[in-house]
Amino acid sequence: DAGITQSPRHKVTETGTPVTLRCHQTENHRYMYWYRQDPGHGLRLIHYSYGVKDTDKGEVSDGYSVSRSKTEDFLLTLESATSSQTSVYFCAISASAAGANNEQFFGPGTRLTVL
Amino acid sequence: RKEVEQDPGPFNVPEGATVAFNCTYSNSASQSFFWYRQDCRKEPKLLMSVYSSGNEDGRFTAQLNRASQYISLLIRDSKLSDSATYLCVVNLEAAGNKLTFGGGTRVLVKP
Repeated sequence: DAGITQSPRHKVTETGTPVTLRCHQTENHRYMYWYRQDPGHGLRLIHYSYGVKDTDKGEVSDGYSVSRSKTEDFLLTLESATSSQTSVYFCAISASAAGANNEQFFGPGTRLTVL
Repeated sequence: RKEVEQDPGPFNVPEGATVAFNCTYSNSASQSFFWYRQDCRKEPKLLMSVYSSGNEDGRFTAQLNRASQYISLLIRDSKLSDSATYLCVVNLEAAGNKLTFGGGTRVLVKP
């Protein structure tokens, strides 16, 4: 299995509080991604990174920010959590963006509940 | 219309039987295709990439039909452990490797 960890694995927080989720990889892959998974919507891309300090928005980026100061860490921040952000969050990594080795490998997920 | 569509199932399959299901995608410029497996409350795990010529990995066979814009997955000699949700995944943009996921097809293998 790819070396990807996410922390925390579970979190319950209140509306309006800031939340930071961490993704850590030991594969030295260049690309990292944050997804959320909700019933009826499948997996949707929030933000992704194509290198240290290089990030871009995905399909559902509103209300989220990211940072990548090191190759191995990709942080997802909810500046002011809302109940609509209750979801399961998955981090993924890939060695390349196209062609060979563009498969993405997923972390174990973080289950976030916003009350 | 969703960009990637799958029959949600469930497909109830007797142990030892063969099951096959498809996924359709809307963007003809799609470049990479994958099948992932997801168990309940777990992360998606790559099952196989799908190549233009079709490919096989043990009991699993994947096919790509670019003309009709669908990919398929066939599972032979189904095992109880094959029970899972199978996600069809399409890379719609080469830059950034931004995948689009289907909603998943649930497969239940029963004794």
